Amino acid sequence: EVQLVESGGGLVQPGKSLRLSCAASGFRFDDYAMHWVRQAPGKGLEWVSFITWSTGSIYYADSVKGRFTISRDNAKNSLYLQMNSLRPEDTALYYCAKDYTGGHTPGTIDYWGQGTLVTVSS
Amino acid sequence: SSELTQDPAVSVALGQTVRITCQGDSLRSYYANWYLQKPGQAPVLVIYGKNNRRSGIPDRFSGSTSGTTASLTITGAQAEDEADYYCNSRDSSGNRVVFGGGTKLTVL
Repeated sequence: EVQLVESGGGLVQPGKSLRLSCAASGFRFDDYAMHWVRQAPGKGLEWVSFITWSTGSIYYADSVKGRFTISRDNAKNSLYLQMNSLRPEDTALYYCAKDYTGGHTPGTIDYWGQGTLVTVSS
Repeated sequence: SSELTQDPAVSVALGQTVRITCQGDSLRSYYANWYLQKPGQAPVLVIYGKNNRRSGIPDRFSGSTSGTTASLTITGAQAEDEADYYCNSRDSSGNRVVFGGGTKLTVL
């Protein structure tokens, strides 16, 4: 059974940093690309970032480019999101999500974690 | 355009057929995927690609695309189908993902 468990969320002041982690199990992690997707309270889904299985291709939404960094450690079956210069509008539930393939461009997201809440407020 | 547009809300009588649509220029090049999300839960993949149902999804769910509009059809809607439905696809660059704003489906 595919499991994605996010951690690292919490309350942080504007301008500060936070690092999210996602522990993956139930599938061969290094065969698949991964995503981060977020959802502000009461709002819709917003794609954040994508990384291929080999980290050969990485893409970001314009809203986070230059502030967020996605990475992965295939030996630890883990995905990360380093978030710097956080803004109140980054407040959201952050989902770790598995891509259907390992390909170099984003495909279908087929599994989602339960999310970790990030609140940016002074 | 990199946007996908969905109607905010749609309702359907129990047992009737409903179509939820998703419009965007990128759909000329890329298929839409469809997800449902119930309150307090993570999204669940329903339809992907041309018209592929995720394992475990009832066959009353189907997908189609015409031009720049993708559709999710529920034939014989059930009470448990009440949820928020999101479409997504790649944007026109092919390197990013874009989601529609979501459609809240109410089953009357």
